[in-house]
Amino acid sequence: EVQMVESGGGLVQPGGSLRLSCAASGLSVSDNFMNWVRQSPGRGLEWVSHIFTGGETFYADSVKGRFTISRQSSNNTLFLQMNSLRLEDTGVYYCARVVYSILTGNSRSYYYYMDVWGRGTTVTVSS
Amino acid sequence: IDLTQSPDTLSLSPGETTTLSCRASEYVGNNLLAWYRQKPGQAPRLLIYGTSNRATGIPDRVSGSGSWKDFTLTLSGLGPEDSAVYYCSQHGGSPLWTFGQGTKVE
Repeated sequence: EVQMVESGGGLVQPGGSLRLSCAASGLSVSDNFMNWVRQSPGRGLEWVSHIFTGGETFYADSVKGRFTISRQSSNNTLFLQMNSLRLEDTGVYYCARVVYSILTGNSRSYYYYMDVWGRGTTVTVSS
Repeated sequence: IDLTQSPDTLSLSPGETTTLSCRASEYVGNNLLAWYRQKPGQAPRLLIYGTSNRATGIPDRVSGSGSWKDFTLTLSGLGPEDSAVYYCSQHGGSPLWTFGQGTKVE
């Protein structure tokens, strides 16, 4: 069964740091594109960060320079290092696998979507 | 690329059919538009990818269509299990991924 489990959330003061983990089973975090997506209380979904299989990373402007996405093959885990946390970083953080192509028979089609999501870990930034 | 969903909320009766709208600020390739459903306390779940392809396990009463800047999600034969918030999402440009603000279906 393909599964991802986030951990590492908690209560932190503004300016503090947290490191989120996303432990994957049934899929390889190194062989897939991966996303972090967050949801502020009572609000919609917001993309946070993306890592390609080759290691290239992308960030939302709101977290650029403060957050770092990474992965570790040995324990098949995706990470999100969050520094200089702000009140507006409060929310539930989800990791998600990105599918970008599908092979059907001899034909490959290209899409981009997130097909497997973890249950999320809650980050609360408060003084 | 900004995505604007409408309406914000829908209140429907069992058995009804409804259409949710997702309008992009710029052109979105058909292969890059997806729909997700999120129930309270749960992670989002993929419903539709590539504008009109149903994800594994999604019944055929859920369908997607559209092109260019206008996309729709149609839910037919509604039941209580369809109560959720529905999000459209696209990949590409800057930021790399965007979501609509969601449509709440009651």
